[in-house]
Amino acid sequence: EVQLAESGGGLVQPGGSLRLSCAASGFTFRTSWMSWVRQTPGKGLEWVANIKEDGSEKNYVDSVKGRFTIGRDNAKNSVYLQMNSLRAEDTAVYYCARDCASGWWFCNWGQGTLVTVSS
Amino acid sequence: DIQMTQSPSSLSASVGDRVTITCQASQDITNYLAWYQQRPGKAPKLLIYDDSVLQTGVPSRFSGRGSGTHFTFTISSLQPEDIATYYCQQYDYLPLTFGGGTRVEVK
Repeated sequence: EVQLAESGGGLVQPGGSLRLSCAASGFTFRTSWMSWVRQTPGKGLEWVANIKEDGSEKNYVDSVKGRFTIGRDNAKNSVYLQMNSLRAEDTAVYYCARDCASGWWFCNWGQGTLVTVSS
Repeated sequence: DIQMTQSPSSLSASVGDRVTITCQASQDITNYLAWYQQRPGKAPKLLIYDDSVLQTGVPSRFSGRGSGTHFTFTISSLQPEDIATYYCQQYDYLPLTFGGGTRVEVK
């Protein structure tokens, strides 16, 4: 069974930093693109970033470029999201998602971790 | 960025009804479209990809069709467990983008 477990969310002040982690199991992690998708409270979904199987390619939505960094450790079956210079509008539930084979749709999702940016 | 416009934003239907949701892309995305179901308090779940391909294990009452810029998602016979919000997502272009969602309620 595929499992994705996010951790690292919490309350942070504007301008602060947070690092999210996602531990994966139940599939061959090193052969899967991985993404982070966020959802603002009561609102819709926004793709944030993705990373290629070997980490050689990373893509970001414009609103987080230069502030967020996606990374992965295939030896630990984990993907990360380093979030710097956080803003109130980054407040959301952050989901780790597995990109489906050969495409950028999402076969599996974690349960999400809440990030709240507030003073 | 590709804008994905879903309609309606919410609907209420009776058990057994046929329910249809539309998703309009701001430019041609071929058939690179997925549909997700999100039950309250849960993570999204993949239902359909490549516009019309049913994910393994998803009931056959769910279907999708369309191409280019206009897509439809149908529940052929609404069940109580289908209470959820449904989202479309295009994956033809970066950034990947979602529709605003359609909340489905049972009368």
